[in-house]
Amino acid sequence: AQSVSQHNHHVILSEAASLELGCNYSYGGTVNLFWYVQYPGQHLQLLLKYFSGDPLVKGIKGFEAEFIKSKFSFNLRKPSVQWSDTAEYFCAVNGGSQGNLIFGKGTKLSVKP
Amino acid sequence: GAGVSQSPSNKVTEKGKDVELRCDPISGHTALYWYRQSLGQGLEFLIYFQGNSAPDKSGLPSDRFSAERTGGSVSTLTIQRTQQEDSAVYLCASSVSEWDRDTDTQYFGPGTRLTVL
Repeated sequence: AQSVSQHNHHVILSEAASLELGCNYSYGGTVNLFWYVQYPGQHLQLLLKYFSGDPLVKGIKGFEAEFIKSKFSFNLRKPSVQWSDTAEYFCAVNGGSQGNLIFGKGTKLSVKP
Repeated sequence: GAGVSQSPSNKVTEKGKDVELRCDPISGHTALYWYRQSLGQGLEFLIYFQGNSAPDKSGLPSDRFSAERTGGSVSTLTIQRTQQEDSAVYLCASSVSEWDRDTDTQYFGPGTRLTVL
């Protein structure tokens, strides 16, 4: 069965700090990988996705993620966070015959102004 | 264009009552998914529909939960004899088609917050 692990439950950073949120998945076949973000009081929004091709994908608001197949990882990065990045971030995967997404538990990011 | 919409946005009910939650997917999207988001459990898959195929119900936690999708569009999630542990935010998502991997990004609605007293 597929599973997704997000290593950090809560990350607290100051503005302009660099961000890296870890995500590992377990599945041996071809997968699609996603990062979703949920800002306070808002619904889930797609941040970026990887289906195939260049393993370094760029999303909205300066975020990027790198798919490393050998490590089963899809870590999210941003070189300089802003207060407005305060949100909860979810890594998700689907693959094989499964259309539904398997989500990680989420990482809450708090950015101090 | 319009996104996924869900109603009601909030629902408070008493233990033992039945509730119905509605989802309107993005027009033209053939795949529809239900998830729930609760403290401690994160986001859990419940059920999904793809076109006219039989739905995948593998995520439904008990037989008190059921869902239908009429005319390939609107979907209703029904919870019978609600329990306090059913309290959660129920999310609906849709995608163009799960079979087209280049376009099967799921777009989420705002959710229905269900509180069972």
